[in-house]
Amino acid sequence: DIQMTQSPSTLSASVGDRVTITCRASQSISSWLAWYQQKPGKAPKLLIYKASSLESGVPSRFSGSGSGTEFTLTISSLQPDDFATYYCQQYNSYAVTFGQGTKVEIK
Amino acid sequence: QLQLQESGPGLVKPSETLSLTCTVSGGSISSSSYYWGWIRQPPGKGLEWIGSIYYSGSTYYNPSLKSRVTISVDTSKNQFSLKLSSVTAADTAVYYCARLRRRYSGSQGAFDIWGQGTMVTVSS
Repeated sequence: DIQMTQSPSTLSASVGDRVTITCRASQSISSWLAWYQQKPGKAPKLLIYKASSLESGVPSRFSGSGSGTEFTLTISSLQPDDFATYYCQQYNSYAVTFGQGTKVEIK
Repeated sequence: QLQLQESGPGLVKPSETLSLTCTVSGGSISSSSYYWGWIRQPPGKGLEWIGSIYYSGSTYYNPSLKSRVTISVDTSKNQFSLKLSSVTAADTAVYYCARLRRRYSGSQGAFDIWGQGTMVTVSS
């Protein structure tokens, strides 16, 4: 299996901050990576696919970058609605795998 | 607008088989552009992919669960189903069904539409 490791596990930030979350793959996954946002009691929501493509309807303050084994999700100016847990997911392998999640908390 | 809805028992006894169904509305499960999958999330923990199916019946399973998982599709009812056998307390989780985009190569892509999830507790 391809292991996905996110850092940090928890991030404390304020409204307006620029936030970056990192996801590392245990082997190259090209650009086959997605990012999701999950709020308590809700299903995950797709934000980014193919490492840097913004899903329709997702605010432009979200962006993704990277290829190979290292990827980042950036929120350019954190909004109150963005406090949530974020997951990366690789789909290079038939056995898709998720990162362990990064919780973005209010500072 | 396509929607997915999970259904099934909320309580399953240890050693028995967990059975869930996902009903797809607002679109066809027989689309060549998508796979259909199951993901679970134990309380307070992260997401774990269980497996996926194409409308033709082709399946992919998580290697760690493969011996206990069966996913099937019923195109006439626009549904797909999950069976997980020999369950233990470790299988207690919210179970989600979701649509996956199919890549140009035919492989699985990102999960773009999710059901609301259903909590399944394994307990006697």
